[in-house]
Amino acid sequence: QLQLQESGPGLVKPSETLSLICTVSGGSISSSSYFWGWIRQPPGKGLEWIGSIDYSGSTYYNPSLKSRVTISVDASKNQFSLKLSSVTAADTAVYYCARHDTIPGWFDPWGQGTQVTVSS
Amino acid sequence: DIVMTQSPDSLAASLGERATINCKSSQSVLYSSNNKNYLAWYQQKPGQPPKLLIYWASTRESGVPDRFSGSGSGTDFTLTISSLQAEDVAVYYCQQYYSTPLTFGQGTRLEIK
Repeated sequence: QLQLQESGPGLVKPSETLSLICTVSGGSISSSSYFWGWIRQPPGKGLEWIGSIDYSGSTYYNPSLKSRVTISVDASKNQFSLKLSSVTAADTAVYYCARHDTIPGWFDPWGQGTQVTVSS
Repeated sequence: DIVMTQSPDSLAASLGERATINCKSSQSVLYSSNNKNYLAWYQQKPGQPPKLLIYWASTRESGVPDRFSGSGSGTDFTLTISSLQAEDVAVYYCQQYYSTPLTFGQGTRLEIK
């Protein structure tokens, strides 16, 4: 079945750029049927949608983060990525990647998540 | 943005008891053209990602036990667990997908009394 796995540095310095990759297995990221999203969860808090991308590279961002976010897809590697610039301690969170069928849509399945801490 | 507000923030119920979690949206998530409510529910256990339970407000995801049910329309929704099991201890989130930005409720923590 489809599986997603996040990877990237667990520690990022303030003002630098957070970069994560989501590797998709068990299915093709190039399928025109799906969208691929990033969601984050600060420690002890709720879920925040960051943004999503479709197979063609069309992106959809949360306006609250849009000025700092770039999501891209690398179909040759069956991966999509997240870049979040000018990070602060408020960006410390578990970052999840997930698939959704439509935009807007629900998320299923999700990756296991990766903890990113912003600290000097 | 559509704000999703869940109640209560936490809930303790006995094994075998019914548990009810509410979710209210700041505007209707019912799309009149297809009469569907754009509302999903997730379960998140400690150290795990959220798991989809219900979509279209009341459609149970494949493999989800039938003790989980969703109801409601427009702006008011409910997730009901008919007979609480020990493995249901988790935080539950609602999410609207009526419009972007996609937004989630703040979560309801469910514990065993």
